[in-house]
Amino acid sequence: GNSVTQMEGPVTLSEEAFLTINCTYTATGYPSLFWYVQYPGEGLQLLLKATKADDKGSNKGFEATYRKETTSFHLEKGSVQVSDSAVYFCALSDNSGGSNYKLTFGKGTLLTVNP
Amino acid sequence: DAMVIQNPRYQVTQFGKPVTLSCSQTLNHNVMYWYQQKSSQAPKLLFHYYDKDFNNEADTPDNFQSRRPNTSFCFLDIRSPGLGDAAMYLCATSRGGGVPTDTQYFGPGTRLTVL
Repeated sequence: GNSVTQMEGPVTLSEEAFLTINCTYTATGYPSLFWYVQYPGEGLQLLLKATKADDKGSNKGFEATYRKETTSFHLEKGSVQVSDSAVYFCALSDNSGGSNYKLTFGKGTLLTVNP
Repeated sequence: DAMVIQNPRYQVTQFGKPVTLSCSQTLNHNVMYWYQQKSSQAPKLLFHYYDKDFNNEADTPDNFQSRRPNTSFCFLDIRSPGLGDAAMYLCATSRGGGVPTDTQYFGPGTRLTVL
C-alpha cells in the first residue's frame, strides 16, 4: 500500500534559519506529491505540489523536488519567519487508476519559529 | 474568490444528539471529501462523492453519513455523537477526472465538541 513518512517534530528554529523537513514515500503507482500547511485552528492549505519526477514545487519561499530515485519530497526554506509556525503535512495521491485520488498523509511536523 | 466554505466553524453538541455539518464550494468541482482530524494527527478520510456517486471508506463508522444534494453542497451527519467523535472535520474538493494534477482544496474546518 501507499505510505508517507515525514520527520518527527516538533522542530524549533530561530527566525532566518534554514528549514528542512524530510519526507519519503512508498507508492504502488506513480504518485503526485504535495505539501500542505495547517496554521493553528485552521484547515489545510496547499503549499506546493509536484506531479512527476524532478519537478520542483515552490511557493512563498518554500521548495520541494520530486526525487523518484530516493522516493523523497523534502521541504526546504532558506530563511524562516515567525509566521511560518504551523504544522506541515506531506501527502501523496495515487494516480495508478480510477478517477478519484485518495490522499495519503504523513503524520505532520510541527514547526515553531522564534523571533 | 472561489473557495470551500464550512459552517459552522465551531459546533457544540450533546452526547447522542444528532448533528449536521455543512460544506459548500464555488469551485464547481466534481469531487467532495470529508475528513476527520483529531488533535495532533493527520486527517483521516471518511468518505467522498464523485458527482452523486458515494464512496465510503471501509473503516468509517456507520454513525457517520453524508448527503450531497447538488454540486455545490455536501453535508456530514453524525447520528449519535460520542465523546470520541470530538474532532476537527475538514471538507475538501477536487476537480477529479483522472489527471495527475488533480489537487484537493480544503475548507477551514468545523471543530466539533461533544459534551
